[in-house]
Amino acid sequence: DTEVTQTPKHLVMGMTNKKSLKCEQHMGHRAMYWYKQKAKKPPELMFVYSYEKLSINESVPSRFSPECPNSSLLNLHLHALQPEDSALYLCASSLLSLRQPQHFGDGTRLSIL
Amino acid sequence: ELKVEQNPLFLSMQEGKNYTIYCNYSTTSDRLYWYRQDPGKSLESLFVLLSNGAVKQEGRLMASLDTKARLSTLHITAAVHDLSATYFCAVDVANFGNEKLTFGTGTRLTIIP
Repeated sequence: DTEVTQTPKHLVMGMTNKKSLKCEQHMGHRAMYWYKQKAKKPPELMFVYSYEKLSINESVPSRFSPECPNSSLLNLHLHALQPEDSALYLCASSLLSLRQPQHFGDGTRLSIL
Repeated sequence: ELKVEQNPLFLSMQEGKNYTIYCNYSTTSDRLYWYRQDPGKSLESLFVLLSNGAVKQEGRLMASLDTKARLSTLHITAAVHDLSATYFCAVDVANFGNEKLTFGTGTRLTIIP
């Protein structure tokens, strides 16, 4: 079991739908991350939140909209996605220390029809 | 742009044998992480290497870091089937205090009985 909880585990949506991915951690970590991982590829960073503020956006299309309502929660709002957005979306968190690893959730497997 | 390359990409080895996975990166960093990922699962942190010459060992796995050569190795001793997984190295390039991990290409390890 991971200490970073992601819901839902699986999501199938049409290109016109709006949905949200949720990530929660209670380890007191103040940095939270979204990654996208395509099959047989490494994770690619999408967003970084530091103290609930967006600090890094890796030029992600606006159809992905992150939100950090508090220090324990991280959401990723999805709208008008494309089939190529189908992937595993991983959330991670870490202490704001450059000497600690990031802790990953189990991910949400997203399929766009 | 930071590039992180691993080799081999695929490794099939017999139980009881030893082997090494290599991780090369293209920019200066003294923070390198190794993660394990089982199929369909999340990433599990294995090692955090924080300085030149750092060596960490856990069970049959040993990781080392040479920051001058921009090289890290993950050595597997007397492999067992349970070690079958994909292994990623990840290099941390701090961005105004935020961790920004760039993952290597991954090495898919299969241990054959």
